[in-house]
Amino acid sequence: EVQLVQSEAEVKKPEESLKISCEVSGYIFTAFWIGWVRQMPGKGLEWMGIVYPGDSDTRYSPSFQGQVTISVDKSISTAYLQWNSLKASDTAMYYCARRPEGLNYFDYWGQGTLVTVSS
Amino acid sequence: DIQMTQSPSSLSASVGDRVTITCQASQDIRKSLNWYQQKPGKAPKLLIYAASNLETGVSSRFSGSGSGTDFSFTISSLQPEDFATYYCQQDDNFLITFGPGTRLEIK
Repeated sequence: EVQLVQSEAEVKKPEESLKISCEVSGYIFTAFWIGWVRQMPGKGLEWMGIVYPGDSDTRYSPSFQGQVTISVDKSISTAYLQWNSLKASDTAMYYCARRPEGLNYFDYWGQGTLVTVSS
Repeated sequence: DIQMTQSPSSLSASVGDRVTITCQASQDIRKSLNWYQQKPGKAPKLLIYAASNLETGVSSRFSGSGSGTDFSFTISSLQPEDFATYYCQQDDNFLITFGPGTRLEIK
């Protein structure tokens, strides 16, 4: 069974750093892209970036380039989304999702990680 | 970037109704258009991929059509569990954008 299990909710202060995770199981981690999607409170879905664990090829949305870092650890089948300096406007739900290689959709999603940034 | 618009932004309907949502791309995306359903507090769920292909396990009351810039998504007979928000999404060589969503509410 394909599963993407995300790390627990986080409460952080502005300017703090954060790394959230997405651990996958039930398929070959290195053979599918993993994307990250933001959903701000009461708002729609925004694609942030995507990584191919096989070779760490990473693409970012222009809106998020330089704001976050996406990485993987193949040894533990886990993808990460990282901030060096959080802002209040980073408060949102963050989802990871699997994208099959050569196909243009997200077929499996994590349960989401709620990040709250408040002083 | 390719921009996506959806219409309507919200919709009230009754169980048993047939409803259609449209999605328009700012440039030709061939058939690279997907539809997702999101219920409150839950992750999105893929319903339709490549404009008209039903994802495995998804009810056949959901359907999609279109190509180029104009797409539509139809629920043939609304069921209580269909009240949710629906998003279209395109993927142009890893420049991925979602539509703003259509909130489907019970009348």
